[in-house]
Amino acid sequence: SQTIHQWPATLVQPVGSPLSLECTVEGTSNPNLYWYRQAAGRGLQLLFYSVGIGQISSEVPQNLSASRPQDRQFILSSKKLLLSDSGFYLCAWSSQVNTEAFFGQGTRLTVV
Amino acid sequence: AQRVTQPEKLLSVFKGAPVELKCNYSYSGSPELFWYVQYSRQRLQLLLRHISRESIKGFTADLNKGETSFHLKKPFAQEEDSAMYYCALKGNTGGFKTIFGAGTRLFVKA
Repeated sequence: SQTIHQWPATLVQPVGSPLSLECTVEGTSNPNLYWYRQAAGRGLQLLFYSVGIGQISSEVPQNLSASRPQDRQFILSSKKLLLSDSGFYLCAWSSQVNTEAFFGQGTRLTVV
Repeated sequence: AQRVTQPEKLLSVFKGAPVELKCNYSYSGSPELFWYVQYSRQRLQLLLRHISRESIKGFTADLNKGETSFHLKKPFAQEEDSAMYYCALKGNTGGFKTIFGAGTRLFVKA
């Protein structure tokens, strides 16, 4: 069966520090991969999605970037965190054929 | 452009009352529509999709292409239905990305 792992679960980082959140999927190949941010009162905002290795689409201008170095690995990064980057980040995948999205447990990021 | 609108941030109903969570969408093609639910301390998960035309946990949703709506309904709300509900749209172009609405928090009071 397919599983999705996202880590860390919580993270407290100082302003200006770098960020790396990792997400991996098991049990499937060539998935669509997504990074979302869930903010109180603002719902679920799509940040990045990827349909293949090295193929990244950005949905909103921001201080973050994403990379897909391997088929089932999706990384969310920042060179210098801002206070406004605080939030709950969710990784998700869907197959190219089936359309349901499966979500990771999420990462609570607090920038201080 | 793809857009999903959930006009209600919060909906509070009494147990046994009917509930309707509204969702309107904007898409130029033929999208797939979904409802996702997030219970307290659980992962966001799929509740139902329009192509299945199924009832899950007593919830149903009908796609109205004329009104571009996909409202979620349940005739008799239960306390365990309290959760965050997201309407979502997946297009058939542009990498098949999934766009979510802002979400509606449903409280079912005893």
